[in-house]
Amino acid sequence: GENVEQHPSTLSVQEGDSAVIKCTYSDSASNYFPWYKQELGKGPQLIIDIRSNVGEKKDQRIAVTLNKTAKHFSLHITETQPEDSAVYFCAASRGPVTGGFKTIFGAGTRLFVKA
Amino acid sequence: DGGITQSPKYLFRKEGQNVTLSCEQNLNHDAMYWYRQDPGQGLRLIYYSQIVNDFQKGDIAEGYSVSREKKESFPLTVTSAQKNPTAFYLCASSVNDRGETQYFGPGTRLLVL
Repeated sequence: GENVEQHPSTLSVQEGDSAVIKCTYSDSASNYFPWYKQELGKGPQLIIDIRSNVGEKKDQRIAVTLNKTAKHFSLHITETQPEDSAVYFCAASRGPVTGGFKTIFGAGTRLFVKA
Repeated sequence: DGGITQSPKYLFRKEGQNVTLSCEQNLNHDAMYWYRQDPGQGLRLIYYSQIVNDFQKGDIAEGYSVSREKKESFPLTVTSAQKNPTAFYLCASSVNDRGETQYFGPGTRLLVL
């Protein structure tokens, strides 16, 4: 069945360094790719998203790239800060207009930023 | 102050007991969702509702039931048939179900006594 693979499962970086998290999806009908940040004991919060007609999107220190041909997308965080430490989830989504509702989440990446 | 609220924050279930988790949103969203999150894992869809008085099973619906009598509310009942209910339960909503952004509540942690 459809799935989303997310790597790495754990990532440790020094404050100020960059962090990159990668996801690969299998459903070619996916057309919306959000990224969520989840802090301990809280619900996930959307941090950035990208649609299938766009190759790259940036919001301050966060950027997402999408390669539809290869079916993978990545989250890039520059100048990391200790408050960036959290679990990050990617997701691949399509609505019923392209064949039935489906959002599939990756397993998550636990990011540690060391001060 | 708009958003999604879930209650309670922690819930304890005794064996054989049904428990209900509350989810309310005042965002005027049509679609609502329930996910289960186990430690170190991603989110798995239990049920979703595209519109009032309609809901669909997700990937792991067995042992759960829902209702959608009002647009703002989508309660989840964990029945005694769910043999491994200990998990973190997340409710979400979106404007519609056409792959739009889902906004999550703070979650309810369910523990079995």
